[in-house]
Amino acid sequence: AQTVTQSQPEMSVQEAETVTLSCTYDTSESDYYLFWYKQPPSRQMILVIRQEAYKQQNATENRFSVNFQKAAKSFSLKISDSQLGDAAMYFCAYRSAMLEMGGSEKLVFGKGMKLTVNP
Amino acid sequence: NAGVMQNPRHLVRRRGQEARLRCSPMKGHSHVYWYRQLPEEGLKFMVYLQKENIIDESGMPKERFSAEFPKEGPSILRIQQVVRGDSAAYFCASSFLRSRTGELFFGEGSRLTVL
Repeated sequence: AQTVTQSQPEMSVQEAETVTLSCTYDTSESDYYLFWYKQPPSRQMILVIRQEAYKQQNATENRFSVNFQKAAKSFSLKISDSQLGDAAMYFCAYRSAMLEMGGSEKLVFGKGMKLTVNP
Repeated sequence: NAGVMQNPRHLVRRRGQEARLRCSPMKGHSHVYWYRQLPEEGLKFMVYLQKENIIDESGMPKERFSAEFPKEGPSILRIQQVVRGDSAAYFCASSFLRSRTGELFFGEGSRLTVL
């Protein structure tokens, strides 16, 4: 079974600074998706960024980028120019892309990390 | 294009009562997933359904919990004889059949409080 680990329960960053959130995962599959979701106090789950395992290029979405190290099974999220609205819980998640070979459809989440942005 | 709709947003029940949570997937989505989030924790998978079929219920407690996704109407997560430990946020997500992006779209969640 796949597992996702977020070892840092909390982090803080100064507004306008850069912060990196770490995530590691364990899988025996070769093709999969990795996601970072943001959950603000409203508790809505918001997709921040997605990475497909077969793509070597790291995904980027505006101020958000990832460092995907497939061999190390590491998937960190970098937030540049942090804003007050970035304060939230951040969840790393894994999903199989090998559905035709019996992979599971479900998303597997890490325990999350609380990000505080200081003005 | 409406997103995933969940209701009620908040539900209060006394111990022993039943709770019913509803989820209408995004238009065109045929797959529904239910997740539970206990306080200060991540989301735990409960069940995955397609229309009229339960595909994976490996995360569902063996007793008191059931889920359905009928041919017509929303998906329902039903909790019988609720206990205080059932207090949590319950999230529904939906996706296309074999989504090429792998993405699930989440509703805003239903928060159940058991008194």
